[in-house]
Amino acid sequence: KAGVTQTPRYLIKTRGQQVTLSCSPISGHRSVSWYQQTPGQGLQFLFEYFSETQRNKGNFPGRFSGRQFSNSRSEMNVSTLELGDSALYLCASCEDSLSDTQYFGPGTRLTVL
Amino acid sequence: SQQGEEDPQALSIQEGENATMNCSYKTSINNLQWYRQNSGRGLVHLILIRSNEREKHSGRLRVTLDTSKKSSSLLITASRAADTASYFCATDERLTGGGNKLTFGTGTQLKVEL
Repeated sequence: KAGVTQTPRYLIKTRGQQVTLSCSPISGHRSVSWYQQTPGQGLQFLFEYFSETQRNKGNFPGRFSGRQFSNSRSEMNVSTLELGDSALYLCASCEDSLSDTQYFGPGTRLTVL
Repeated sequence: SQQGEEDPQALSIQEGENATMNCSYKTSINNLQWYRQNSGRGLVHLILIRSNEREKHSGRLRVTLDTSKKSSSLLITASRAADTASYFCATDERLTGGGNKLTFGTGTQLKVEL
């Protein structure tokens, strides 16, 4: 099976803009989670979607949002970008709520200028 | 927030030597997983050890878990230059809404020199 894919791989935006990142999970995987990785805060959980519903959310401001489509593909959106949003955004998928192993994509490197 | 602290933060060894990384965590866990990351790329899943297991092997990897001490260790035997990467432990917490959330440690940067 193909792995988790994320697009775009690199993105440069300016403060105040918004951005949408996309994630395609492994075929058959219904759960998609998003993580943010920065040098200062490390890897942090953003949110998790299952069957088009956000089931869990991390401690991030409302500027960070996401959605999941019927084919399990997911998008996350960050509005009113701040310099501190510069990070590697990682998407992970797993089969269902009983699965423990999450498989990660290559990430989207977002730079906010 | 970071659940785990990893020790050491950085480790440099010669090819063929063993590398040991330690992870400590704070709360009760469902399982603990180890991931590898090469140069800011995606995370590669290495091994999962459940809370009722004490030791697990996978190829050159050996993981131990001590739930009484809330700690885990990852041993890479006969290291290779290709093992150069950052290694993260992650605790898996089952959430009331269903699903799991991984809480990552701070990571150990391993450099294997020829």
